[in-house]
Amino acid sequence: GEDVEQSLFLSVREGDSSVINCTYTDSSSTYLYWYKQEPGAGLQLLTYIFSNMDMKQDQRLTVLLNKKDKHLSLRIADTQTGDSAIYFCAERGATNKLIFGTGTLLAVQP
Amino acid sequence: NAGVTQTPKFRVLKTGQSMTLLCAQDMNHEYMYWYRQDPGMGLRLIHYSVGEGTTAKGEVPDGYNVSRLKKQNFLLGLESAAPSQTSVYFCASSQILPGGPEAFFGQGTRLTVV
Repeated sequence: GEDVEQSLFLSVREGDSSVINCTYTDSSSTYLYWYKQEPGAGLQLLTYIFSNMDMKQDQRLTVLLNKKDKHLSLRIADTQTGDSAIYFCAERGATNKLIFGTGTLLAVQP
Repeated sequence: NAGVTQTPKFRVLKTGQSMTLLCAQDMNHEYMYWYRQDPGMGLRLIHYSVGEGTTAKGEVPDGYNVSRLKKQNFLLGLESAAPSQTSVYFCASSQILPGGPEAFFGQGTRLTVV
């Protein structure tokens, strides 16, 4: 079945780069996503990547996809305190289910 | 722009009571989802729907029922609430678009079962 895994916590200093990693099991994934959840709020889409791409850049965000290893990462350049949040990786498989990882809490130290 | 609206936002139930959570979207999306979010477990899919009149089980469907009688609404029912169903519930909707599908989320319903 589908499974998406992430590490639970990451701490970085303001101005450094953050890299959040995700692994998934469904080889039929069509789209992979990164969502951000701020305290007490719903999830907001940050970026997504189609499964036939290996990289996507959007301002401070870089998504890398290694389809062979089923590994997805999100790099945030020049991390700011406003980036502190929980980041969720998600995949959409052939059945159109949207499966989320456990979320990674990013703590940005001033 | 309303997007995805969930009602209620908060609710406290006694064990054994029933309730229905309502999700409404105004984007004409085909797909709708119900998730629960628990600490350390991320979002787990309860049920989903790929169109009006259709529903399917997700990862954790037991104890819940859903209905999609109208395209814009997706209802999540708890027939006999249990403390294990204390959670934050999120509804989402999405459409497959040429530019890439995106799921829009509601603000969540915090449910406590005592």
